[in-house]
Formats: sequence, structure tokens, C-alpha cells
Amino acid sequence: DAKTTQPPSMDCAEGRAANLPCNHSTISGNEYVYWYRQIHSQGPQYIIHGLKNNETNEMASLIITEDRKSSTLILPHATLRDTAVYYCIVKSGTYKYIFGTGTRLKVLA
Amino acid sequence: EAGVVQSPRYKIIEKKQPVAFWCNPISGHNTLYWYRQNLGQGPELLIRYENEEAVDDSQLPKDRFSAERLKGVDSTLKIQPAELGDSAVYLCASSLRGTGTGVYEQFFGPGTRLTVL
Repeated sequence: DAKTTQPPSMDCAEGRAANLPCNHSTISGNEYVYWYRQIHSQGPQYIIHGLKNNETNEMASLIITEDRKSSTLILPHATLRDTAVYYCIVKSGTYKYIFGTGTRLKVLA
Repeated sequence: EAGVVQSPRYKIIEKKQPVAFWCNPISGHNTLYWYRQNLGQGPELLIRYENEEAVDDSQLPKDRFSAERLKGVDSTLKIQPAELGDSAVYLCASSLRGTGTGVYEQFFGPGTRLTVL
């Protein structure tokens, strides 16, 4: 599975959009991009996933570049409760997630 | 719908003592995972079960760690004897399936924070 690179930390003002980047330059054609987040003292929580097209659900939007070498998770209106570590994972249809160290997002009041 | 349940939430033991963690997955989920998460790191897979069969235990330190999933539902992860380096959060997760062409998100429990003194 492809390796991902994320910035270690980011800040975002409450109510503004949070844009979390992820580089996955070695991604292969059948590999999906997944995003999970982990709020303090909780287990990781699924947010969204995509293959080629941009995706949106009630939590977030996922923008994948045309060459699929990078993606951005967008939280449109960040709240204090979105403060968490966000993990970008690239994997194929197998079960194995390989978590990196993620991006620690702090939403500021 | 109840989520993945783990107990205890916290455990403090002295080195060389045994310890066990329990996990109850989401009803109907065939696949169960145990992860270990060290401070400041992402979770790392220890073992995966498909029903009652351990299909990937390649990352489980078998000299001191053991796991079981009787009847393909609840699971227990044991460490005997514990070492200082075992201090971590132990996470259990479940999913409908582990492999295949579908995309099966994993649902995680809150974890057990183990401190070995």
C-alpha cells in the first residue's frame, strides 16, 4: 500500500473551512484514499473515502487531484469538536490500514 | 446501534504481571481487529480475525501476546508477562468483512490504556 505524507499539525479558526492535505505520490490505480480522525481518548472514526472522483458526505468533502497523487480533506465549517488527529490512508481492497502519524488539527475559538 | 465495546478502559500493572483486554464487536461484524497505539503514533495492527479464525497474526509478539475469539464474537487479548514497553493504548475494531472488492470501514472501540510500571 502507498505511503502518505501529511503535515504534523494545523490550526483553523472556528467556523472557517479546514483544508487538510495529503500526498500519496506512489498510489496505484486500485488504491482508495481513506480519511479517519481520532478525537482525544477515542478510537479512530471513519470520515470519508474515494478512488478518483471527489466525494462529499455529511462530515466532509474529499478532493482528489486528477493524477491522484494528492488529496485534500475539507471540513467546511470547522467547530471545536473537530479538534483531532486526522489520518490519511491509502489502500487497496484488502483489510490492512497503515496509519501514519496524521495531522493534528486544532480548531481555535 | 451499539458501537464496539472494550473493557477495561484503563489498566495499571507492574511489569511481569499478566493482563487481559476484552472486546465486544458490533453485532453482525465478522471481522475483528486488535491494534496497538503508542504515544504520538498511529494504530498498528496486531491481529485480525475472520469469525473465529486468526487470519493474520504476523505482527503479534507471540512470545508474550495471545488472543482468542471464541464463537466468533467477543475477543480477548492477553499479555503475559507484561513489559515496560507494552505501555500503549490497545484498540479493538470490527468490520463487516476484511477483504474483497467492497470497501468496508472499520469501527473502532475507545481502547484500553495500559500502563506498565
